Amino acid sequence: GAVVSQHPSWVICKSGTSVKIECRSLDFQATTMFWYRQFPKQSLMLMATSNEGSKATYEQGVEKDKFLINHASLTLSTLTVTSAHPEDSSFYICSAPDIMRTADTQYFGPGTRLTVL
Amino acid sequence: GESVGLHLPTLSVQEGDNSIINCAYSNSASDYFIWYKQESGKGPQFIIDIRSNMDKRQGQRVTVLLNKTVKHLSLQIAATQPGDSAVYFCAENIEGYSSASKIIFGSGTRLSIRP
Repeated sequence: GAVVSQHPSWVICKSGTSVKIECRSLDFQATTMFWYRQFPKQSLMLMATSNEGSKATYEQGVEKDKFLINHASLTLSTLTVTSAHPEDSSFYICSAPDIMRTADTQYFGPGTRLTVL
Repeated sequence: GESVGLHLPTLSVQEGDNSIINCAYSNSASDYFIWYKQESGKGPQFIIDIRSNMDKRQGQRVTVLLNKTVKHLSLQIAATQPGDSAVYFCAENIEGYSSASKIIFGSGTRLSIRP
């Protein structure tokens, strides 16, 4: 099946710094990618839809200036957590549909564990 | 707002028995549902899906049932094995078959297997 990777798999940073997380579709092109956040023992919460060549669409309550999304190519979306604080510590997961296979099947990345000290 | 939720947060099952995980959804317009398995520290893994024009779909050791009348989904795992231990999420595709469809996750059920 289609493969989605994320880098890094984990990151620890100091409060106030910015962290960039990459999401790549390895064997297919993705005009759309999705970013989720998951706190411990909770479900995945959709943060935003990343659109290649245009602005991301954010879910209600997600600060677009804090979570910067760039969909630079058909295989890469990045999420930058700006001025990170301890409450931003979470598991960040991306997904992408391979529309050449089935438009509504999402392939998920392995996740990035962010810890803000 | 629209949501997908689960009845039970945890489920303990004897190895070899069948497991049934339930899920309720609230968006009556939803037409595509998916079950995911998530192991600790990993991303969700697709298990099985079902479209709203069906009420049952079977895979290898798994069956999904959809009752649109009461907006209820269930995942049945036959002959549960230790490797089935994980958190299971039902999810809802809220924009149908388009490439920009969003998947909204339910609250999850942790399945633990007793030897």
